[in-house]
Amino acid sequence: EVQLVESGGGLVQPGGSLRLSCAASGFTFSSYWMSWVRQAPGKGLEWVANIKQDGSEKYYVDSVKGRFTISRDNAKNSLYLQMNSLRAEDTAVYYCAGEKTGATDYWGQGTLVTVSS
Amino acid sequence: AIRMTQSPSSFSASTGDRVTITCRASQGISSYLAWYQQKPGKAPKLLIYAASTLQSGVPSRFSGSGSGTDFTLTISCLQSEDFATYYCQQYYSYPKCSFGQGTKLEIK
Repeated sequence: EVQLVESGGGLVQPGGSLRLSCAASGFTFSSYWMSWVRQAPGKGLEWVANIKQDGSEKYYVDSVKGRFTISRDNAKNSLYLQMNSLRAEDTAVYYCAGEKTGATDYWGQGTLVTVSS
Repeated sequence: AIRMTQSPSSFSASTGDRVTITCRASQGISSYLAWYQQKPGKAPKLLIYAASTLQSGVPSRFSGSGSGTDFTLTISCLQSEDFATYYCQQYYSYPKCSFGQGTKLEIK
């Protein structure tokens, strides 16, 4: 059974930092592009970042460039998102996701990040 | 960036109805389009990819069509478990992708 389990969310003050983790199991993690997708409260889905199978390519939505860093550890079947200089508008549920052919095949259950003073 | 626009944003229907949701891309995306279903408090679930290919395990009452800029998701006979929010996603510009704003389907 495929599982993506996110952790690391919580309440953080504006300007603060947070590191999200995602533990993958049940599929060949190293064969998949991996992404972070977020959803602000009551809003739609927004792609945030993704990373190639070997970590050699990384892409970000413009609103997080220079503040967020995506990384992965294939030996640990894990995906990460380092979030710095957090803003109120970064408040959202963050989903870990996996893609083989472009569409998102696998989703985690999400972890809530709240940026507030 | 490719912008995806869904219509309607919300609507109500009854079980047994046939419903259609549309998705329009701001530029041609060939057939690089997926549809997802999301229920409250849950992660999205992939229904259709490549515009018309049903994901394994998804009921055959769901179907997708279109190419270029205009796409549709059809549910042929609504069941109670189908009331949810639906999103389209383009992956023509993969690795960068974008979602539509969502269509909330409610019970009439």
